[in-house]
Amino acid sequence: GAVVSQHPSRVICKSGTSVKIECRSLDFQATTMFWYRQFPKQSLMLMATSNEGSKATYEQGVEKDKFLINHASLTLSTLTVTSAHPEDSSFYICSATPGQGASYGYTFGSGTRLTVV
Amino acid sequence: EDKVVQSPLSLVVHEGDTVTLNCSYEVTNFRSLLWYKQEKKAPTFLFMLTSSGIEKKSGRLSSILDKKELSSILNITATQTGDSAIYLCAVTDSWGKLQFGAGTQVVVTP
Repeated sequence: GAVVSQHPSRVICKSGTSVKIECRSLDFQATTMFWYRQFPKQSLMLMATSNEGSKATYEQGVEKDKFLINHASLTLSTLTVTSAHPEDSSFYICSATPGQGASYGYTFGSGTRLTVV
Repeated sequence: EDKVVQSPLSLVVHEGDTVTLNCSYEVTNFRSLLWYKQEKKAPTFLFMLTSSGIEKKSGRLSSILDKKELSSILNITATQTGDSAIYLCAVTDSWGKLQFGAGTQVVVTP
């Protein structure tokens, strides 16, 4: 089945630094990738949708300059949390689908636990 | 505004019981409804429902979509402690955007 690899699984960084999270589709080409964040005991909140070769579409309230998304190839999307602050500490999950629209399945990465100290 | 509402938010059952989880939605350009199970990390896929009235089954789990009522249920029969998890309902629109409900936390006690 489709596999999405997310790395790192856990990262601790100092306030003010930047952290890059990678999401790779291992056995399919992901036209579209999604980035979510999840606070403890809450559901997944969509942050942005990235399509290969074009700019990401951010959800309302998500700062595009703070959460930089790059989807430069059909198998890799990255999320960079810039100038991280403790309130950015969260669980970040990516998901990928081989095509736009709901006819294709969505596969999730294993998530990244970010702690900003 | 699009929304996905799950109920109950949490429940505790004994092993062997049957649970029914609910998901209702209001989404422009609805395409499909998905159920996921989340334990410690990322959600794992359970079902994708696109057609109304057709039950999907996988072992002790089953789910059905009612497009007229804009809702879906997920049933788990003969529950086991390994079924303890958060069950997430998500709805996609024609653009493929996945919007999640708040989830239902299920605790199965021995």
